[in-house]
Amino acid sequence: DQQVKQNSPSLSVQEGRISILNCDYTNSMFDYFLWYKKYPAEGPTFLISISSIKDKNEDGRFTVFLNKSAKHLSLHIVPSQPGDSAVYFCAAREYGNKLVFGAGTILRVKS
Amino acid sequence: DVKVTQSSRYLVKRTGEKVFLECVQDMDHENMFWYRQDPGLGLRLIYFSYDVKMKEKGDIPEGYSVSREKKERFSLILESASTNQTSMYLCAIHPGQGLKPQHFGDGTRLSIL
Repeated sequence: DQQVKQNSPSLSVQEGRISILNCDYTNSMFDYFLWYKKYPAEGPTFLISISSIKDKNEDGRFTVFLNKSAKHLSLHIVPSQPGDSAVYFCAAREYGNKLVFGAGTILRVKS
Repeated sequence: DVKVTQSSRYLVKRTGEKVFLECVQDMDHENMFWYRQDPGLGLRLIYFSYDVKMKEKGDIPEGYSVSREKKERFSLILESASTNQTSMYLCAIHPGQGLKPQHFGDGTRLSIL
């Protein structure tokens, strides 16, 4: 059973608008959540993370929100740029620094 | 800058061959991980290592083994390659402590014919 789910396989957004990527999880023991960005034929690149004791973390155009009661994580990108087009994976840390990944969401930013 | 180097970007092998994928890091990190990435399935953990000569199975270890004889190098071995092992293989590292991200290499696109 998937412990981390990204229910939207793809998302298309106009340049300059907000992109919102969502992620749900089932394991309440996860204590650290991350977002990675991946271009084709490259490895995932770390984007932003949040500890389970926080509900929001910002880094430039990227903000991650955590709703523990709903077991829901979201990534907001404002404003979206064509270079943001990539696959985005959310991940959650379980014991021993192991990460559990979602299936990914393909983001397309149209210019 | 974190440097995780995977020995090949693209590799083509035949069914039944023994295949070695190498990962080398220059960060002196304790933990190293091997994942495979398949469309619609995300990244799935094959094996990981907390330290030299230590290894633990991940979620999908069948058909694979690993070796970590030196801290900087973590090898993934496909004992007898099969077509269902065609995939993107990704190596990652972690310092071992703290709420910090894993950092990935560029991956090896492996095709088994």
